[in-house]
Amino acid sequence: EAQVTQNPRYLITVTGKKLTVTCSQNMNHEYMSWYRQDPGLGLRQIYYSMNVEVTDKGDVPEGYKVSRKEKRNFPLILESPSPNQTSLYFCASSPGVWVAEAFFGQGTRLTVV
Amino acid sequence: AQSVAQPEDQVNVAEGNPLTVKCTYSVSGNPYLFWYVQYPNRGLQFLLKYITGDNLVKGSYGFEAEFNKSQTSFHLKKPSALVSDSALYFCAVRDDNYGQNFVFGPGTRLSVLP
Repeated sequence: EAQVTQNPRYLITVTGKKLTVTCSQNMNHEYMSWYRQDPGLGLRQIYYSMNVEVTDKGDVPEGYKVSRKEKRNFPLILESPSPNQTSLYFCASSPGVWVAEAFFGQGTRLTVV
Repeated sequence: AQSVAQPEDQVNVAEGNPLTVKCTYSVSGNPYLFWYVQYPNRGLQFLLKYITGDNLVKGSYGFEAEFNKSQTSFHLKKPSALVSDSALYFCAVRDDNYGQNFVFGPGTRLSVLP
């Protein structure tokens, strides 16, 4: 089954403790992206990647890191999480053409206390 | 720069009535337009897209959307709403002048009342 898999689905952590949210897709998509969803703000893009070893900042990259060493994986790293990073995070992937829709993971609800 | 507006935070409609969720966009190149739906505790699911051709596109679950270039709009419609259509709806655009990034609107919460 074609899918985007995020882990974990839920995470509660403390301020400053490094964490990684994994994202994996099995559709051989070139494009992958991370978003955060906050009430009233919709989806805001954090980082995106057009292909392996190619990443770029989205609209809200501060406090986040990503890497794209393999085509299927695109982990989101929070080196020193803060409470303002409490949010619902989504990973998405898409073929590398403009006409294609994006496929989304189920989301990761992160709480930083 | 690209942008997407969804002017209504909330839309309420009675079951069986037609529904419309509005979306307007701004791009510099050719727009590729998408609608997604999000049910509680779920990821976003693709509903339909406009790429080129017929301005009326049909998608999943009986939804359709009308592309209007002069009004830069892409409103989502359904002739007869179901209670199960209650969800959060997002409009998104890709602009071929700005690479492959999606830009999403803020979302519209649709409530279908029995």
